[in-house]
Amino acid sequence: AQSVTQPDIHITVSEGASLELRCNYSYGATPYLFWYVQSPGQGLQLLLKYFSGDTLVQGIKGFEAEFKRSQSSFNLRKPSVHWSDAAEYFCAVGAIDGGFKTIFGAGTRLFVKA
Amino acid sequence: GAGVSQTPSNKVTEKGKYVELRCDPISGHTALYWYRQSLGQGPEFLIYFQGTGAADDSGLPNDRFFAVRPEGSVSTLKIQRTERGDSAVYLCASSTQQGYEQFFGPGTRLTVL
Repeated sequence: AQSVTQPDIHITVSEGASLELRCNYSYGATPYLFWYVQSPGQGLQLLLKYFSGDTLVQGIKGFEAEFKRSQSSFNLRKPSVHWSDAAEYFCAVGAIDGGFKTIFGAGTRLFVKA
Repeated sequence: GAGVSQTPSNKVTEKGKYVELRCDPISGHTALYWYRQSLGQGPEFLIYFQGTGAADDSGLPNDRFFAVRPEGSVSTLKIQRTERGDSAVYLCASSTQQGYEQFFGPGTRLTVL
């Protein structure tokens, strides 16, 4: 069965600093991988996705993520964080196993300090 | 165009009551998903529809939970004999086909007293 681990419950970074949010997944075949962001009172919004091809994917709001099969990781990065990036970030893995199911990690809450 | 809508936005009920939560997906989206998000957790998969049929209902926690999508568009999640542990935000999402980007609704916050 697939699973997703986000080892950091919360992270605090200074505005303008770089950011990396970690995500490790477990799945036997090539997964579909996603990062979503959830701001307070807002719905989940897709930042980026990986299905196949180039392992470095670009998303919205200046985010990117790199799929590393050997490490079963899909870490999210941003070179310079803005105060408006403060939110909850969820990594998710989707796989077709006679149907389709998306499994989410527990999330990482990002705090941005001035 | 319109996104995924869910009604009601909030629902307060008493333990043991029956509730229905509605999801209107984006027009033309054939795949529809239900998730449950408890406080401090990520969304937990409940069920996935492809058209009218439930392609994967392995996430439904027990037989008190049931979902339908009779015409392949609107879906209703039904919870019988609600328990306090059912309190959560119930999220609905839709996509053009399985495996593609899911668009989420704002959720229904269910509180069981």
